[in-house]
Amino acid sequence: QSALTQPASVSGSPGQSITISCTGTNSDIGAYNYVSWYQQHPDKAPKVIIYDVSNRPSGVSNRFSGSKSGNTASLTISGLQTEDEAHYYCSAYVRGSSPYVLFGGGTKVTVL
Amino acid sequence: QLHLQESGPGMVKPSETLPLTCTVSGGSIRSYYWTWIRQSPGKGLEWIGYVSTSGSTNYNPSLESRVLISIDTSKNQFSLKLNSMTAADTAVYFCARFIGSGLADFWGQGTLVTVSS
Repeated sequence: QSALTQPASVSGSPGQSITISCTGTNSDIGAYNYVSWYQQHPDKAPKVIIYDVSNRPSGVSNRFSGSKSGNTASLTISGLQTEDEAHYYCSAYVRGSSPYVLFGGGTKVTVL
Repeated sequence: QLHLQESGPGMVKPSETLPLTCTVSGGSIRSYYWTWIRQSPGKGLEWIGYVSTSGSTNYNPSLESRVLISIDTSKNQFSLKLNSMTAADTAVYFCARFIGSGLADFWGQGTLVTVSS
């Protein structure tokens, strides 16, 4: 199983919207709606911000939204804020006889 | 609020076995799944594997030959053993609670493990 593909970096100005893509295959992202997104600030543990493609955990800002089309999942951050500057990782859970978890390589979001 | 805490050696020698334990507090370990994830310095996340409360496991195929994850519900702990350690295994190791849809919702703070002679 190969890692999911994310852009290395994305940037935007405060107030803008940005979108991070996460590309897999028809065996992982394309096969299941088990895509999660994590936000990680430096020297901190990752924090889940989206699960099951588009669901937000309680307490996560509605500026974060997720979607999926085919083998590609996307995370959109609207109304970009300085505290959104972090690394973002997508993850796919592949069910089956031997389930496994794939992560993307991570995307560094810079707020200009 | 669930709290997870990793414990173990901060350094191991090449070829040795890494033993890590994750202690869960603020809730019971007797439900959900429990997972280990690592992050090499400056790199991305890598899933190691998970264990259920019954002790069944699933591992990353790339690590499967060297990994053992176990659970002790009486102590509210689960553990990781990774043998034949090399410099490539130097990483921050996180433990987390793992929900059936593939999301890790509660994480430990992580523990840095360095492989060095």
